[in-house]
Amino acid sequence: DIVMTQSPDSLAVSLGERATINCKSSQSVLYSSKNKNYLAWYQQKPGQPPKLLIYSASTRESGVPDRFSGSGSGTDFTLTISSLQAEDVAVYYCHQYYSTPKTFGQGTKVEIK
Amino acid sequence: QVQLQQSGPGLVKPSQTLSLTCAISGDSVSSNTAAWNWIRQSPSRGLEWLGRTYYRSKWYNDYAVSVKSRITINPDTSKNQFSLQLKSVTPEDTAVYYCARDEVAGTRDWFDPWGQGTLVTVSS
Repeated sequence: DIVMTQSPDSLAVSLGERATINCKSSQSVLYSSKNKNYLAWYQQKPGQPPKLLIYSASTRESGVPDRFSGSGSGTDFTLTISSLQAEDVAVYYCHQYYSTPKTFGQGTKVEIK
Repeated sequence: QVQLQQSGPGLVKPSQTLSLTCAISGDSVSSNTAAWNWIRQSPSRGLEWLGRTYYRSKWYNDYAVSVKSRITINPDTSKNQFSLQLKSVTPEDTAVYYCARDEVAGTRDWFDPWGQGTLVTVSS
């Protein structure tokens, strides 16, 4: 199984400041023949299912604000919130869909400082 | 727009069978691109994929090793839904259970959308 490890487990950021979450996979999730990283990011608020933010490591899902961006390739990935808003308080998960079983990181809790 | 609506009991006694259903709208359980999954979430195990069913000229199932001996996922084409059965539950099976769509070697292989979630508590 591919193990996904996020850092940090939690972070507190001032409104309007940048939040950065890292995700490392235990093996590459780059699908070479398609030149795509099989890595997604989700946002989860209390009492709700995870909501898709980013797929293919850097493609924003339709309707997701452009303050959310994803980067990275192979085994190392980053989710950046460029200017934190109050509604961004949530837990964020990375997810690899390169191989079955599809797995998730442990989550990073983002709070307001 | 695909939507998933879950139903089933929120309390199950130890050693009994957990049963949940996920009704699909906007897609077909018999789709040749989609797969239909169950995922659970608990503080101790995080987000854990349990298994899936999908149709590619015939029905296939994949299950997580951790629950393989206890789990069954079945499609119901007449109602356009699929179900989860988890036998011999223990308190460790207490979690929020989600159904979710993905694809197998398709264009949207990640989990999206998700059902609303069902908190299942295993307790006598």
